[in-house]
Amino acid sequence: EDQVTQSPEALRLQEGESSSLNCSYTVSGLRGLFWYRQDPGKGPEFLFTLYSAGEEKEKERLKATLTKKESFLHITAPKPEDSATYLCAVVDYGGSQGNLIFGKGTKLSVKP
Amino acid sequence: GAGVSQTPSNKVTEKGKYVELRCDPISGHTALYWYRQSLGQGPEFLIYFQGTGAADDSGLPNDRFFAVRPEGSVSTLKIQRTERGDSAVYLCASSRIAGVDEQFFGPGTRLTVL
Repeated sequence: EDQVTQSPEALRLQEGESSSLNCSYTVSGLRGLFWYRQDPGKGPEFLFTLYSAGEEKEKERLKATLTKKESFLHITAPKPEDSATYLCAVVDYGGSQGNLIFGKGTKLSVKP
Repeated sequence: GAGVSQTPSNKVTEKGKYVELRCDPISGHTALYWYRQSLGQGPEFLIYFQGTGAADDSGLPNDRFFAVRPEGSVSTLKIQRTERGDSAVYLCASSRIAGVDEQFFGPGTRLTVL
């Protein structure tokens, strides 16, 4: 059965304190791995798509990396406005086209 | 429009009633998805459309749930005989084509069944 596990469930950082969020996945074949940001009361906002092991993508203070079993979202020198829940999702070759399978998310709080 | 829109933003209903939730996707996006998100959980897939047809409805929990997209644009999620367990945020997303194109989400409809 497909499974996406995110850790930690919650993370509190001081402004400027860099860290990483983890997403481990089990699928029959990975078509793509997606990172989203979700603010309270809003829908998920797309951040990155990764397709193959070794791939990396960056956007401002965020960098996403992918291995065969997990993905990391690295946050460099975070600011309070980076506070949100970060969701990881996969699309499986063995499943429905485009059916995103989500993890439960990591709730990030950045204190000034 | 600029993004995916959903109406209503909030819906409160009584157990046993019928509700309809509407989704207006990004113009030109052929694929449309419905997800359901409970508190503290990630979104759960319900159904997706490629054009007018439901390509995969394997996530619908039971036959009280039904969705349509008659003209290949706007979609309506219909829930009959609502139950308290149906309370959640219902999210709609669209993408250019089905597959690994990024999906863009709407703000969701918060459904509360009393």
